[in-house]
Amino acid sequence: DTEVTQTPKHLVMGMTNKKSLKCEQHMGHRAMYWYKQKAKKPPELMFVYSYEKLSINESVPSRFSPECPNSSLLNLHLHALQPEDSALYLCASSLSALRGNYGYTFGSGTRLTVV
Amino acid sequence: SQQGEEDPQALSIQEGENATMNCSYKTSINNLQWYRQNSGRGLVHLILIRSNEREKHSGRLRVTLDTSKKSSSLLITASRAADTASYFCATPAGGTSYGKLTFGQGTILTVHP
Repeated sequence: DTEVTQTPKHLVMGMTNKKSLKCEQHMGHRAMYWYKQKAKKPPELMFVYSYEKLSINESVPSRFSPECPNSSLLNLHLHALQPEDSALYLCASSLSALRGNYGYTFGSGTRLTVV
Repeated sequence: SQQGEEDPQALSIQEGENATMNCSYKTSINNLQWYRQNSGRGLVHLILIRSNEREKHSGRLRVTLDTSKKSSSLLITASRAADTASYFCATPAGGTSYGKLTFGQGTILTVHP
């Protein structure tokens, strides 16, 4: 299995809703990432998990809450989002986070719309 | 600020022609990576070139790295309509920021049949 699977592919949520994005990989990768991408912009790093521990939080607002239940799963819990949080949310994994010496495998993303 | 800056921002060519994209970066790196993104989808890792390498090939892709000029180029030879996508260079931050891969602004490539 050489894929990163993200669900759902599309999500529309109200500003008072709570939802979760899910990401799964079975490649034995020990680093997993959440990126946010706005239209016509490059992906921007949100969180890095290394060996199931949060190692980087890029000053992301607390309405985004990541969770790594085990080495194969990564969740992003969403609560009280704003319309400007609408974006493509990408999950990625790599063999290790060490010095970025490995290419990332990306999922196809969740297109999030906040209304 | 973005570590990598790319040019051109957009490139339009005919099938069969070669496409060259350039990336410049600011700080020292131990590798540089190129990714492709088809419209609205996930990114696909194309190639990783280490700082001690000057050139690398993968199929129709050729990547060069000049660490003295802090620049890299991606050449796609004999382009196809299916190569239409956005192409990003990306560099990892070192030090305590292990795993922080930062993407350039990207080049939008359009290949006309």
